Amino acid sequence: DAKTTQPNSMESNEEEPVHLPCNHSTISGTDYIHWYRQLPSQGPEYVIHGLTSNVNNRMASLAIAEDRKSSTLILHRATLRDAAVYYCILRARYSSASKIIFGSGTRLSIRP
Amino acid sequence: GAVVSQHPSRVICKSGTSVKIECRSLDFQATTMFWYRQFPKQSLMLMATSNEGSKATYEQGVEKDKFLINHASLTLSTLTVTSAHPEDSSFYICSAKGTGTGDETEAFFGQGTRLTVV
Repeated sequence: DAKTTQPNSMESNEEEPVHLPCNHSTISGTDYIHWYRQLPSQGPEYVIHGLTSNVNNRMASLAIAEDRKSSTLILHRATLRDAAVYYCILRARYSSASKIIFGSGTRLSIRP
Repeated sequence: GAVVSQHPSRVICKSGTSVKIECRSLDFQATTMFWYRQFPKQSLMLMATSNEGSKATYEQGVEKDKFLINHASLTLSTLTVTSAHPEDSSFYICSAKGTGTGDETEAFFGQGTRLTVV
């Protein structure tokens, strides 16, 4: 899987939007962009994924740059429960590798 | 959505004993499961990939004789930490991939097992 780069940590205020950036300059045309998050003392959970177009779901939005070399996970209204480590991962379509290799992710803190 | 369950969620064992951790896919069949280890304030580190009915594939630096993996059915994989030592204390997490699902689809993770070796 291609490498991603994320800031080590970010802070935000409760009830404000949060934009978590991810750079993936070596992304290939068949790589999907996935986001997972890990709450304290829990396993990772899926947040969202996309290929080229921006994506929305009940948890978040994913904005993908036109050249696909970067993306941004958007939490529209952060709550204290959104405090977690967020991982941006590339998953190759039709890959036989299957395994997910985690980078260091972004530790998001939410101020009340 | 699909659920992956790990058991136990916490375990304390004495040094030198073995501990078994179970990972079950509750509502789907998982041909492939993955085992990760996570130390405090660090990211998840992939230990091994287990495929139903065949031997596990271990990542470089992971001792296969110490971390025994068995994937005997399409819904169950087990990780046994043999002759545990305090340095094996960690958070162990499994992940499962459904049969026939592409790698671009979401992955499902267990809630993790906190192992403490005393």
